[in-house]
Amino acid sequence: QKEVEQNSGPLSVPEGAIASLNCTYSDRGSQSFFWYRQYSGKSPELIMSIYSNGDKEDGRFTAQLNKASQYVSLLIRDSQPSDSATYLCAVNEEDSNYQLIWGAGTKLIIKP
Amino acid sequence: ETGVTQTPRHLVMGMTNKKSLKCEQHLGHNAMYWYKQSAKKPLELMFVYNFKEQTENNSVPSRFSPECPNSSHLFLHLHTLQPEDSALYLCASSQDRGTGEGDEQFFGPGTRLTVL
Repeated sequence: QKEVEQNSGPLSVPEGAIASLNCTYSDRGSQSFFWYRQYSGKSPELIMSIYSNGDKEDGRFTAQLNKASQYVSLLIRDSQPSDSATYLCAVNEEDSNYQLIWGAGTKLIIKP
Repeated sequence: ETGVTQTPRHLVMGMTNKKSLKCEQHLGHNAMYWYKQSAKKPLELMFVYNFKEQTENNSVPSRFSPECPNSSHLFLHLHTLQPEDSALYLCASSQDRGTGEGDEQFFGPGTRLTVL
């Protein structure tokens, strides 16, 4: 099975700064890429989906996809303490009938 | 009710018990999923149903038995579980099981299962 890799963190970022989260994947046939946010004790919540190379912006969030280098990143501008959570990267895998393969998540802490 | 709902939210059971988890989606989606989430580990896909038909079973032990009576409801029947099965069980749904837009998955709140 292919893998999705994320730095487990914690990643500590001052309030108001840009938080940068990275994810690498191994399946070159992957076509769908997702970022989820998960607060402690809660279920994952979809933040962004991206399907083509380049940037996709939604409010304070920007997803960046580079298929040639096999990475996808999430930028959070003007970070708020409420952004403190674990961020999960998910990528569909061509060889497994396009199941989503999940990273273990990066814990983000926004310090006031 | 909106989104994806799951009941019960918490469940404690002995190894000899039989229990069922229920999931219902109110999004009009065609695909439903069961995931297991253990501490410090990535989400593990257990089962996938697309248009009520099971399409994936990721080598899940037979003590877990899924049921999908229609495209809105999904059950996970549990029997003779082991303590290592204690985890958060998540249900999700998506519009399609494709390779593009429409396969975003939306999760229910989960069932926190403890096996004694």
